[in-house]
Amino acid sequence: DQQVKQNSPSLSVQEGRISILNCDYTNSMFDYFLWYKKYPAEGPTFLISISSIKDKNEDGRFTVFLNKSAKHLSLHIVPSQPGDSAVYFCAASVRFGNEKLTFGTGTRLTIIP
Amino acid sequence: EADIYQTPRYLVIGTGKKITLECSQTMGHDKMYWYQQDPGMELHLIHYSYGVNSTEKGDLSSESTVSRIRTEHFPLTLESARPSHTSQYLCASWDRNTGELFFGEGSRLTVL
Repeated sequence: DQQVKQNSPSLSVQEGRISILNCDYTNSMFDYFLWYKKYPAEGPTFLISISSIKDKNEDGRFTVFLNKSAKHLSLHIVPSQPGDSAVYFCAASVRFGNEKLTFGTGTRLTIIP
Repeated sequence: EADIYQTPRYLVIGTGKKITLECSQTMGHDKMYWYQQDPGMELHLIHYSYGVNSTEKGDLSSESTVSRIRTEHFPLTLESARPSHTSQYLCASWDRNTGELFFGEGSRLTVL
């Protein structure tokens, strides 16, 4: 049973526009969420995170929104740049400091110049 | 930038061979992990370690084994590789201060 779901395997966005990547989870015990970015032939790198006590966290062009009642989070990238083309993984844990992350299947984002 | 290294990056071997995937980190992290990932699939935790002489099986059953004799080193071994072991193997370590999981660049294994 997949506890973290990324239902869009791929997404294409025009350069300069907003990219919105979505993630849903089923385990109500999750209270810390992370986004990782992965380029081909490289390991994932941490992008941004959010605790369940917040509903929004922003870092430069990246903003993560959390809707706890809907068990849904999203990553917004604005403006999108060609270097943002990568696979984005959503991950969750039952608490901050618990390193046992549950990952989604990833969404491949392609930014069109 | 994370100081965690994996070798080899790519490995193509025949069935029945023994292989060891190396993972080293220079950050002094106690907790280290091995994930397995197939294309289009989620990362699955196969092994983890909370420190020297500590190893545990992860959520996904794996025929591989690991050891943790030194803090910085967490190798993964397959005694007899099979085509079903073809996958990407990602090593990671945990920074307890930031709550961030640092990944190596991965080892892509192909068993013919």
